[in-house]
Amino acid sequence: GENVEQHPSTLSVQEGDSAVIKCTYSDSASNYFPWYKQELGKGPQLIIDIRSNVGEKKDQRIAVTLNKTAKHFSLHITETQPEDSAVYFCAASPGSNYQLIWGAGTKLIIKP
Amino acid sequence: GAVVSQHPSWVICKSGTSVKIECRSLDFQATTMFWYRQFPKQSLMLMATSNEGSKATYEQGVEKDKFLINHASLTLSTLTVTSAHPEDSSFYICSARAVGGGPYNEQFFGPGTRLTVL
Repeated sequence: GENVEQHPSTLSVQEGDSAVIKCTYSDSASNYFPWYKQELGKGPQLIIDIRSNVGEKKDQRIAVTLNKTAKHFSLHITETQPEDSAVYFCAASPGSNYQLIWGAGTKLIIKP
Repeated sequence: GAVVSQHPSWVICKSGTSVKIECRSLDFQATTMFWYRQFPKQSLMLMATSNEGSKATYEQGVEKDKFLINHASLTLSTLTVTSAHPEDSSFYICSARAVGGGPYNEQFFGPGTRLTVL
């Protein structure tokens, strides 16, 4: 079955700098790759997603890139702000049963 | 749009009692709903997948008689933790996939329910 690995587990960046979180997946049939932001005590919030027919997608300060050949996708956050501090999860969906396979999460810390 | 609510947001109960958690899709119809549990500093763990009008499919290791799931309508799914014990204390989160969602598995998540069993 699908397996998703996420790195790093913790990322500390200076406010205003960029942050990059990387994920790899194993199932070439996966066709949907969302990124979620989870704040303490809250449910995950979808911040951006990418489908397998697209290589890159951008939404203001957030972008996601997908390399299907290498089976990895990355989240890029530019001009980081204190409110970006949270845990970020990547996921992959093999599509067949509509389940999401989750990465282990990255705790992003924005230093003032 | 695409709002999912959960009720209650938190609950404290005594060991041996049952607790029901509701998950509602407020502005769309959900053909499929998912129930997750999350322990502190860990990722989400899928417990079961439920489709409206049919029995839920449970993940390996999840006791179906302990975690009862009912998906009676396209906007409501419930999770009942029966005979709760302290080890059932966790953060329970539901998500919903919209009817006609196409081949891509976009899921919308509820805010979660914190269950504490004394």
